[in-house]
Parts: sequence; structure tokens; C-alpha cells
Amino acid sequence: AQSVSQHNHHVILSEAASLELGCNYSYGGTVNLFWYVQYPGQHLQLLLKYFSGDPLVKGIKGFEAEFIKSKFSFNLRKPSVQWSDTAEYFCAVKPHTGTASKLTFGTGTRLQVTL
Amino acid sequence: NAGVTQTPKFQVLKTGQSMTLQCAQDMNHEYMSWYRQDPGMGLRLIHYSVGAGITDQGEVPNGYNVSRSTTEDFPLRLLSAAPSQTSVYFCASSYSNRLSYEQYFGPGTRLTVT
Repeated sequence: AQSVSQHNHHVILSEAASLELGCNYSYGGTVNLFWYVQYPGQHLQLLLKYFSGDPLVKGIKGFEAEFIKSKFSFNLRKPSVQWSDTAEYFCAVKPHTGTASKLTFGTGTRLQVTL
Repeated sequence: NAGVTQTPKFQVLKTGQSMTLQCAQDMNHEYMSWYRQDPGMGLRLIHYSVGAGITDQGEVPNGYNVSRSTTEDFPLRLLSAAPSQTSVYFCASSYSNRLSYEQYFGPGTRLTVT
């Protein structure tokens, strides 16, 4: 079974600082990768996803992520964070094959952006 | 489209009580699932369904039942509530469980078991 590790549990940044959140997964086959965001009091919404092709994926609100297959990583980046980026961020992995393959989430990283 | 809706938003139960968390989607999605979210543990899959009449267990199914009699609805039943089931429950759906179709999440149900 697949698993996802997010090593940063709580990150505090000042506005305009650059952001990189780590995500590593373990699975022997081809995967689809996702980053979801949960703003305070709201439900999860998709930030970006990797399916195939260009390993650098751009998402909403200026976020991007790079899939490095050799490192089993899918780190999330943003050059300059805003106070409104304060949220919890979840990395998720889903095996590419099978109608019953399951989406597995990491434990999440809480990002706090200070003014 | 209303998307994925969940009721109730909040619920307090006593140990041993049973209840059903409702989930509905109006997007004609094939795949539906239930997760629980606990601090420091992310989201864990409870049960899922790849179509009407088909359900299967996820990572943490004990103490929960599901059924999928229609494409739209996927209720989650707590048979005999325990304090360990205190959590936030999210229902999600996607067009298909194949490939990279996005899952859409409902607003969640915050359940407290005393």
C-alpha cells in the first residue's frame, strides 16, 4: 500500500517569504499526485495535480509543485506567500491503475503567514 | 450545482448511540468516499463506493457502515458511537476513480461523542 510523508507539521512565514512544503511518497508503481488546501473553517479544495508529462505543475493562486520521480517527492512551492495563504496543506497520492485504487493523504502541514 | 452536501454540520452523541451522516452529490459522480480528519493524522479513508450498489472498506472501517442505493447518496452509519469516533467527517466524490479525476469535498460534519 502507498503512504505519504509530510515532514513539516507547522510552518510560520512572514508575508512575501518563499514557501516550500515537502511531500514524499512510497509506492512502487506509477502514481497521480495532488496537493489540497483547507482554509480555516472550509472544506478541502484542489490546489494542483500531477498526472503525467511536465513534472513542474502549476496550480491556482501562484502555487506550483515539482514531481521528482527519483526522489519520490512532490514538493509544493510559492515564491511569495500572502497572509491569505494561511491554511492547512495536504499532499495526496493515488496509484495510477485500477478503479478501486485509493487516494492516500499525508498528515498535513499547517502554514501560518504573519503580517 | 450544489456540489457535495453533508448534513448535519455538527452533532453530539452519547456513547452507544447510533446515527447516520448524510452525503449527497448532484454531479452524477461515480465515485464517493468518506474520510475522517483527526489532528496530526490527516484524512483517513473509511469507506468508498465506485458506483451504486458497490461499496468497499478503506483504511479505518471499523464501527461504520455504508450503502449506496443511488448514484447521488452515500450515507455513513455509526452503529454504536464511541469517543474514539469524535472527529470531523468529510464526504467526497469524483467523476471516476480512474486516472487523475479530482475529488470534490463536502463541508464536513463535526461529531463529538461523549
